[in-house]
Amino acid sequence: DIQMTQSPSTLSASVGDRVTITCRASQSISSWLAWYQQKPGKAPKLLIYKASSLESGVPSRFSGSGSGTEFTLTISSLQPDDFATYYCQQYNSYSFTFGPGTKVDIK
Amino acid sequence: EVQLVESGGGLVQPGGSLRLSCAASGFTFSSYWMSWVRQAPGKGLEWVANIKQDGSEKYYVDSVKGRFTISRDNAKNSLYLQMNSLRAEDTAVYYCARDTWLVRFDYWGQGTLVTVSS
Repeated sequence: DIQMTQSPSTLSASVGDRVTITCRASQSISSWLAWYQQKPGKAPKLLIYKASSLESGVPSRFSGSGSGTEFTLTISSLQPDDFATYYCQQYNSYSFTFGPGTKVDIK
Repeated sequence: EVQLVESGGGLVQPGGSLRLSCAASGFTFSSYWMSWVRQAPGKGLEWVANIKQDGSEKYYVDSVKGRFTISRDNAKNSLYLQMNSLRAEDTAVYYCARDTWLVRFDYWGQGTLVTVSS
């Protein structure tokens, strides 16, 4: 199975900050990567698919980049609604593994 | 509006069985793959299983193979997960999700909690 890692595991930031989260795959997954946002007690929400495509309705301050084994999620200007946990997920092959998550909290 | 509503969770003893259901609405259910994804308390996300539109293909994560069975009833717009030989490590919130090859999981239900404990 493909293993996914994320860094950092926790990120403390302020409203207005530019935030970058890194996701790495144990082998090449081309661009088959998605990013999700999850708030406590809620289901995950799709933000980015195919590494850099913005899901409909997601604010343009979210962007994704990368291919192969290294990917990034960037929030250009952090908003109060963005404090949450972010997961990357590979879907190049089964078992569609997720990263361990990055919690973004208030500095 | 796409809606996915899970049900059937609860407390079950180790070795027991449980059947989860997911009622879908707001889209043509029979045109989509569907998946189950779980999240243990305080932990990350784990894909569990998925099923093709007509039920002819099913895939499972290794940890549930031989114990869990995914199925669907397109006439009832419903997805199911039969869970047998449950273990403490199966304790989690189980989500159903619409599954597409391009974006993967674009819509999720609210989840149903399964607790395996004596």
